[in-house]
Amino acid sequence: GAGVSQSPSNKVTEKGKDVELRCDPISGHTALYWYRQSLGQGLEFLIYFQGNSAPDKSGLPSDRFSAERTGGSVSTLTIQRTQQEDSAVYLCASSKGATPAYNEQFFGPGTRLTVL
Amino acid sequence: AQSVSQHNHHVILSEAASLELGCNYSYGGTVNLFWYVQYPGQHLQLLLKYFSGDPLVKGIKGFEAEFIKSKFSFNLRKPSVQWSDTAEYFCAAMDTGRRALTFGSGTRLQVQP
Repeated sequence: GAGVSQSPSNKVTEKGKDVELRCDPISGHTALYWYRQSLGQGLEFLIYFQGNSAPDKSGLPSDRFSAERTGGSVSTLTIQRTQQEDSAVYLCASSKGATPAYNEQFFGPGTRLTVL
Repeated sequence: AQSVSQHNHHVILSEAASLELGCNYSYGGTVNLFWYVQYPGQHLQLLLKYFSGDPLVKGIKGFEAEFIKSKFSFNLRKPSVQWSDTAEYFCAAMDTGRRALTFGSGTRLQVQP
């Protein structure tokens, strides 16, 4: 079956511009997660959605970062006024649910963001 | 705060050698533990996971891991590696009060034919 998909696969932007990254989770998965992977910081959690609500936003690094999820499916991560330190691979993951039996997270291919 | 440590950053082995990658976590409560693998040019894939029960967990491709609660460890093992196991391996922990995975820094495994 189809896995988690993300778009675009690559994004190059200029410092100060806004960017939107999209994630399509596996159909039927109620939980959705955003992480980022960078050379200096490794893999870091950003935000978690259960349905359309975000009970855990603790990993968002600044108020320039926001995310939403609509219809319990697609999610968009928005970075405003991008900075060079935002350059990273942004990963999306989804899971069937939140209980231990169903919280295995399936990852997408990521969006590589480069801020010039 | 929860953290995950992977002691080996880069491991080089010959084919058929045995593999053990170390992972330690710091959290006193109930945790779920995972090993993920990232093959060159591919996305993260789950190798195995531990939730409860038998502390020896078997995963895909002949990998296994042992949860030792007293040592806060979850080491990954494979008796005989293949060239196709060349990849980066990440240990991760999730405390049951949250849903976020905390990842270790990763171990790059290079298997020489």
